[in-house]
Amino acid sequence: KQEVTQIPAALSVPEGENLVLNCSFTDSAIYNLQWFRQDPGKGLTSLLLIQSSQREQTSGRLNASLDKSSGRSTLYIAASQPGDSATYLCAVRNSGDKLTFGTGTRLAVRP
Amino acid sequence: EPEVTQTPSHQVTQMGQEVILRCVPISNHLYFYWYRQILGQKVEFLVSFYNNEISEKSEIFDDQFSVERPDGSNFTLKIRSTKLEDSAMYFCASSLTSEWSNEQFFGPGTRLTVL
Repeated sequence: KQEVTQIPAALSVPEGENLVLNCSFTDSAIYNLQWFRQDPGKGLTSLLLIQSSQREQTSGRLNASLDKSSGRSTLYIAASQPGDSATYLCAVRNSGDKLTFGTGTRLAVRP
Repeated sequence: EPEVTQTPSHQVTQMGQEVILRCVPISNHLYFYWYRQILGQKVEFLVSFYNNEISEKSEIFDDQFSVERPDGSNFTLKIRSTKLEDSAMYFCASSLTSEWSNEQFFGPGTRLTVL
């Protein structure tokens, strides 16, 4: 059974800092991995999707990497802004349709 | 930009009542999903649906739950007799394909409160 863990659970940084969020998964036979953003009481916004054959994906100030063999992904956020404050979730897809989610990292960026 | 929509945003019901949560997936998508998130817990997969059939379901998705695509645009989740523990945020998602490269797009959620 796939287990997804995210560390740290919460993070508070001053505006402008670069930061790294971590995601680990127990079953490395994944199809893909998605990073999502969730604002309080809101839905999930897809940020990046990395295929199992890829090592990284970039979108603006976000860069996600994937090391499938070690069961790890990182989300790098450059030059953080207060608007980046949210909960960041990673989710992996093994065979089948479902995504297995982590518990998330709650990020607060202080002005 | 196309998006998944869900109604209502918040539903309050009495224990034992039936509820229907509604979703309009992205128009050219073929695969539809329901997930739920109990307050403070992980997002959990409930069911996937393709070609008018359930393609995969989790242990949570028991006989009290059903899904339907009643017309060309809506996708619904019905809970027949709600329990207190059904209180959660329910998310609908859709994807274009089921290929390994597929990306799932989520709606804003329906908060279900069972009293």
